[in-house]
Amino acid sequence: TQLLEQSPQFLSIQEGENLTVYCNSSSVFSSLQWYRQEPGEGPVLLVTVVTGGEVKKLKRLTFQFGDARKDSSLHITAAQPGDTGLYLCAGGSSSNTGKLIFGQGTTLQVKP
Amino acid sequence: DAGITQSPRHKVTETGTPVTLRCHQTENHRYMYWYRQDPGHGLRLIHYSYGVKDTDKGEVSDGYSVSRSKTEDFLLTLESATSSQTSVYFCAISGSGTGGGGELFFGEGSRLTVL
Repeated sequence: TQLLEQSPQFLSIQEGENLTVYCNSSSVFSSLQWYRQEPGEGPVLLVTVVTGGEVKKLKRLTFQFGDARKDSSLHITAAQPGDTGLYLCAGGSSSNTGKLIFGQGTTLQVKP
Repeated sequence: DAGITQSPRHKVTETGTPVTLRCHQTENHRYMYWYRQDPGHGLRLIHYSYGVKDTDKGEVSDGYSVSRSKTEDFLLTLESATSSQTSVYFCAISGSGTGGGGELFFGEGSRLTVL
C-alpha cells in the first residue's frame, strides 16, 4: 500500500515568516500534486511535478520533487494571511490520472 | 471553475438508512471519482469511473456502491449507512484522460452525518 506522510500537520506562524511543508513516501510516484483547500470548499490544484529534481515556482510558493520521486516539499516565502488553508500533497501513478494517494494534510494559519 | 455540482450539500440520516449522493458534471470528462475526507486521513478514494457503466473500487470501497449511466452523472450509494460513514464526500473529475499527472477538479463536497 502506498502512503504519503505529510509534515507538519499543523503550523501557526506570523505574517512574513517562511515555512516548509514536507511530503514523504517509501514509494515512487509518477507525479506529485499539491492542492490547497479552504473551509467548505473542495481542494484546488496548485501545481503538478513529474520529473525527479523538478522545481516549480508559483509567486511566493516553491515546489520541489525529490530526485527519486518519493518525496516533495512546498516552501512559502514571506507568508501572508491569505495563505491560510489546508495544503494537501497527492501522489499519482501512471496507470490512472486521478487515482491519487493523498497525504494527511497540513493546516496552515498565518497570523497578521 | 469546472462545472461540478454535488447534491445534497448537507445530509443528516440515521443508521441503517440508504443514502445516495449525486455528482453532476458539465465538462464531458471521461473520469469521475468519489473521495471521502476525514480528519487525519486526507482524502481517500472510494470508487471511480472511467466511462459510462465502467467503474472500479478504490482503497475504501466497503459499504459503498456507485453507478454511472450517463457521462455527466456519477452516483454514490450507501446501502445501509453506518456512523463510520459520517464524513465529507468529494466528487472529482480528471482534467486529463491520457494517464499520469492529470489534475483533479473537485466539487464543493457533501457533508454526511449518520446518527
